[in-house]
Amino acid sequence: DAGITQSPRHKVTETGTPVTLRCHQTENHRYMYWYRQDPGHGLRLIHYSYGVKDTDKGEVSDGYSVSRSKTEDFLLTLESATSSQTSVYFCAISESHGQSDEAFFGQGTRLTVV
Amino acid sequence: QKEVEQNSGPLSVPEGAIASLNCTYSDRGSQSFFWYRQYSGKSPELIMFIYSNGDKEDGRFTAQLNKASQYVSLLIRDSQPSDSATYLCAVIGDDKIIFGKGTRLHILP
Repeated sequence: DAGITQSPRHKVTETGTPVTLRCHQTENHRYMYWYRQDPGHGLRLIHYSYGVKDTDKGEVSDGYSVSRSKTEDFLLTLESATSSQTSVYFCAISESHGQSDEAFFGQGTRLTVV
Repeated sequence: QKEVEQNSGPLSVPEGAIASLNCTYSDRGSQSFFWYRQYSGKSPELIMFIYSNGDKEDGRFTAQLNKASQYVSLLIRDSQPSDSATYLCAVIGDDKIIFGKGTRLHILP
């Protein structure tokens, strides 16, 4: 299995509080991604990174920020959590965007905002 | 906005039959295409990738790509109950990986 770890695995937080999810990899892969998965919506890209300090927005980036200060860590922050951000969050990594470079996924983080 | 479209299902297929899953994509410049399987409560895992027009076979799975029609499919032969899962189509475009919403497949014993 690819070395990718998400923390925490489960979290319940109150509306309006900041929340940070962590993704850690031991594969030295260049690309890291944060997705959220909701019923009826599949996997939607929040933000992604193509190198240290190089990040870009995905299709559902509003209300989220990211940081990547080291190759191995990619942090997702909800500045002020809302109930609409209740979801399962997946981190993924890939070595590059070559023709056969698959994305490997973490175990997921189930976030509930009450 | 680049899009990847899949029928959400559920698609019900008798055990032993062929399951056919379809995906269309909007970015004509897309180069690589992936099929992932996701069991309930689990992370997606790669089944196959394809980047050349035509068919690619791996065991009971065959991926088919038609770039002119912007269409990629996955066939599962001799379907087993363990194939019951959600199947996600993914495309690399604009330096990011975009997923479809997934198709739920149910294999009937």
